[in-house]
Amino acid sequence: GAGVSQSPSNKVTEKGKDVELRCDPISGHTALYWYRQSLGQGLEFLIYFQGNSAPDKSGLPSDRFSAERTGGSVSTLTIQRTQQEDSAVYLCASSLTGTSGKETQYFGPGTRLLVL
Amino acid sequence: SQQGEEDPQALSIQEGENATMNCSYKTSINNLQWYRQNSGRGLVHLILIRSNEREKHSGRLRVTLDTSKKSSSLLITASRAADTASYFCATDSSYKLIFGSGTRLLVRP
Repeated sequence: GAGVSQSPSNKVTEKGKDVELRCDPISGHTALYWYRQSLGQGLEFLIYFQGNSAPDKSGLPSDRFSAERTGGSVSTLTIQRTQQEDSAVYLCASSLTGTSGKETQYFGPGTRLLVL
Repeated sequence: SQQGEEDPQALSIQEGENATMNCSYKTSINNLQWYRQNSGRGLVHLILIRSNEREKHSGRLRVTLDTSKKSSSLLITASRAADTASYFCATDSSYKLIFGSGTRLLVRP
């Protein structure tokens, strides 16, 4: 089976535009996570999905950020009115059940976002 | 906020030498994981060690965990140029991973 895939690989946008980032998790994985890695920084958690619901959105940096997941599979992270500080690599991961602290999370290749 | 701090921040070694990276964390954990990242892109899972384990091996990788000191180390033996990457430790906080700041490893041919 395929791993986690993300699209686009790279996105360049102008400040103020909206962007959508897509994640296809491993088939059958019920848990899905979004992380962000700013230049030279570690990874920070953004949001966690269990099925189609998001019990934890605590890492979303502002109300310009939103995410949804449909059919228990594909997820889309949307950033509205992008700012230069949104430039980062956005990484998606999935795991089988999301059981606390007991599973490996498998990461996609990431989307590199550059806001000019 | 980051849970872990990694040491060193950067490491340069000759091919064939061993590389050791250390990770410290702050709160109690269920497990600790190590990931590798090439060229600032996707993370590759290397190894998971549970809180009741002290040492784990996988190929050329050896991970130790000392929960009393809240620290872990990753040893890569007989390094290769292809091991050049950034290495991150990650601890679990419920379902989400909290990553350390990473160690950039350069293996010179």
